[in-house]
Amino acid sequence: KNEVEQSPQNLTAQEGEFITINCSYSVGISALHWLQQHPGGGIVSLFMLSSGKKKHGRLIATINIQEKHSSLHITASHPRDSAVYICAVLPGNQFYFGTGTSLTVIP
Amino acid sequence: EPEVTQTPSHQVTQMGQEVILRCVPISNHLYFYWYRQILGQKVEFLVSFYNNEISEKSEIFDDQFSVERPDGSNFTLKIRSTKLEDSAMYFCASSELAGGHTGELFFGEGSRLTVL
Repeated sequence: KNEVEQSPQNLTAQEGEFITINCSYSVGISALHWLQQHPGGGIVSLFMLSSGKKKHGRLIATINIQEKHSSLHITASHPRDSAVYICAVLPGNQFYFGTGTSLTVIP
Repeated sequence: EPEVTQTPSHQVTQMGQEVILRCVPISNHLYFYWYRQILGQKVEFLVSFYNNEISEKSEIFDDQFSVERPDGSNFTLKIRSTKLEDSAMYFCASSELAGGHTGELFFGEGSRLTVL
């Protein structure tokens, strides 16, 4: 049983492209997190969402609670954005993680 | 900028040995978590800890695992008798508030455990 599905699994983009990563989940949640995992393995929290939309620099995250769907957008992508992006949902007090989207941005 | 620190960064151990992974959360944070990621697989929740006790644990967190906050700064994960399948990257995280619900999670760089 997979509570969190991400798409695409892998994504290659040219520098400057607009990127969208999608996350769908099957359970009711109180919050959704977008995380970035660097090639070395370290994880950084990007956003915590419970409704609507958040923006931080070139990153935008949206969530539609009724449709159980969230998107992470990267505008003007750059090679340093290359990483694995992970969606994690909180239906209770325990996180469920997606398998991640591996993004490679080519100069 | 405050950060979560983990030691060791990499530990190699023999099957059956006890391992202790250490974490120093951000000083004013109240909620602490351990996660693991087996190579090539997704991150999995192990346990959350608040007010000196476990607040939630997953099915993975069985009797061979334990957590402790022995002093005001450290948060440890102990694996009593390691198995081959315990080989993974273990991440510690902390948050000021109930991180999942209201605030941001801060992750350490991870401790890679290799069980031979």
